[in-house]
Amino acid sequence: KNQVEQSPQSLIILEGKNCTLQCNYTVSPFSNLRWYKQDTGRGPVSLTIMTFSENTKSNGRYTATLDADTKQSSLHITASQLSDSASYICVVRGLGAGNNRKLIWGLGTSLAVNP
Amino acid sequence: SQTIHQWPATLVQPVGSPLSLECTVEGTSNPNLYWYRQAAGRGLQLLFYSVGIGQISSEVPQNLSASRPQDRQFILSSKKLLLSDSGFYLCAWSVSENTEAFFGQGTRLTVV
Repeated sequence: KNQVEQSPQSLIILEGKNCTLQCNYTVSPFSNLRWYKQDTGRGPVSLTIMTFSENTKSNGRYTATLDADTKQSSLHITASQLSDSASYICVVRGLGAGNNRKLIWGLGTSLAVNP
Repeated sequence: SQTIHQWPATLVQPVGSPLSLECTVEGTSNPNLYWYRQAAGRGLQLLFYSVGIGQISSEVPQNLSASRPQDRQFILSSKKLLLSDSGFYLCAWSVSENTEAFFGQGTRLTVV
C-alpha cells in the first residue's frame, strides 16, 4: 500500500470552475508535505511546501491545506484555467533517519480543464 | 536566478548500448542533486542523489550509475542499456533535503 494516496485519480472540470484534490498519507512522523504540478512530458513544478505546523498555504489560485492529525491534505484550485490541465502530485517527506527521511511520491491526480 | 538544464529531451537507444544523460545547474552553489525515473502510470522513483562533488547515494540497485564531476553537474550513465531502462528521467536540485526541488525538463528514453 502506497504511503501517499491521492484522489480522485482523474478529474474533468469546466473552465472557470473550482476543484479540490485530496491527499491522504500514512508517513509518520513527517517533516513536510509538498504539492507539485506536472504538465505532460515536463518536469514537476513546486506549488507549495508545508511543515506539520502549517494548516494552509496559498500560491495564487492554488491553496493547500494540511491536517496533520488526520494526515490529510487538499489542494484547492480556484477559477480554473485551461493551463491548469496537468497532473498534481502530493509528496511527503518523513522525519527521522535513513529510509524515514525519504520523499514519498503520490501517483498524482490528472486534471483536465475543458473550455 | 537559478536554472537547471537537462539534455537530451528525447533519446532512442538500442539494447546493450551505453547511456549518458547530463544535467547542469546554474545560479547556485553546492546544491543537492537528484536523478529520478518516472514510469508510465507510476510515481517518481528516486535513483540517485548527491550532496556534494563525488558524493553519490544510490536508492535502488539497478543497471545505472551516477557521477558528479563538478559542483553543478550531475551525470546518469549506463554501460549497457536494458529494455526495462526505458522511462522518463528527471534531474532536480534543491538547496537542502527539506526545501522544494526544482526539476529539469526531463529526458524521454526509449530502449529498443
